[in-house]
Amino acid sequence: GNSVTQMEGPVTLSEEAFLTINCTYTATGYPSLFWYVQYPGEGLQLLLKATKADDKGSNKGFEATYRKETTSFHLEKGSVQVSDSAVYFCALGTSWGKLQFGAGTQVVVTP
Amino acid sequence: SAVISQKPSRDICQRGTSLTIQCQVDSQVTMMFWYRQQPGQSLTLIATANQGSEATYESGFVIDKFPISRPNLTFSTLTVSNMSPEDSSIYLCSGRSLSSTDTQYFGPGTRLTVL
Repeated sequence: GNSVTQMEGPVTLSEEAFLTINCTYTATGYPSLFWYVQYPGEGLQLLLKATKADDKGSNKGFEATYRKETTSFHLEKGSVQVSDSAVYFCALGTSWGKLQFGAGTQVVVTP
Repeated sequence: SAVISQKPSRDICQRGTSLTIQCQVDSQVTMMFWYRQQPGQSLTLIATANQGSEATYESGFVIDKFPISRPNLTFSTLTVSNMSPEDSSIYLCSGRSLSSTDTQYFGPGTRLTVL
C-alpha cells in the first residue's frame, strides 16, 4: 500500500540556517506529492506540490523536487525565519483524490 | 484557491453527547473529505463526503459514529456521535479543487475536547 515517511522532529534551527526535511514515499504508479504546513493553532495550508518526476515545487522560499529514482520529495529552504516555525507534512495523492500524510515534522526556528 | 470555513472552531463537550461540525466552501469543489488529527499526530482520513449519497468511510470509521452529509457541492457536515474522551481531536474538512484536481484545500479545523 501507499505510505509516506518523514524525518522525526522536532528540528531546531537558528534563524538564517538551512532547512531540510526528508520525505520518502511508497506508492504504485506516479502520485502527486505535496508539502503542507500547519502553523500553531491553525489548519493546514498547501505549501507546494509536484505532479510528476523531476518537477520542482516552490513557494515562499521553500523547494522540493520529485525524485522518482529515490522515491523522495525532500523539503528545503536556504534561510529560515522565526515565522517558519510550524509543523510540516509531506503527503501523496492516492486514488480518488485522497491524501496520505506523513507523521509531520515540527520545525522550531530560534532568533 | 478555495476558501473553506468550519463551525464551530472549537468546543468542549460532555461524554455521551454528539456534536455536528459544518464545513462551507466558497466555490465548487469536486470532492470533500473529513480528516481527524489526534493530539500530536498526523491526519487520518475519516471519509469522503459524496453529494446526495452516503459517504464513503475509511477502514476503522463507521457511519453510526461519524454520520456525514453533503447536500450540495459547497457544504458538508460531520457529526461525532456518542462522544468519549478518545474523540478529542481536531477535525478538518477539505475540498478538492475543481481547477486543479490533484490539490486539496483545508479548513481551519474544529478543536474538540470531550470531558
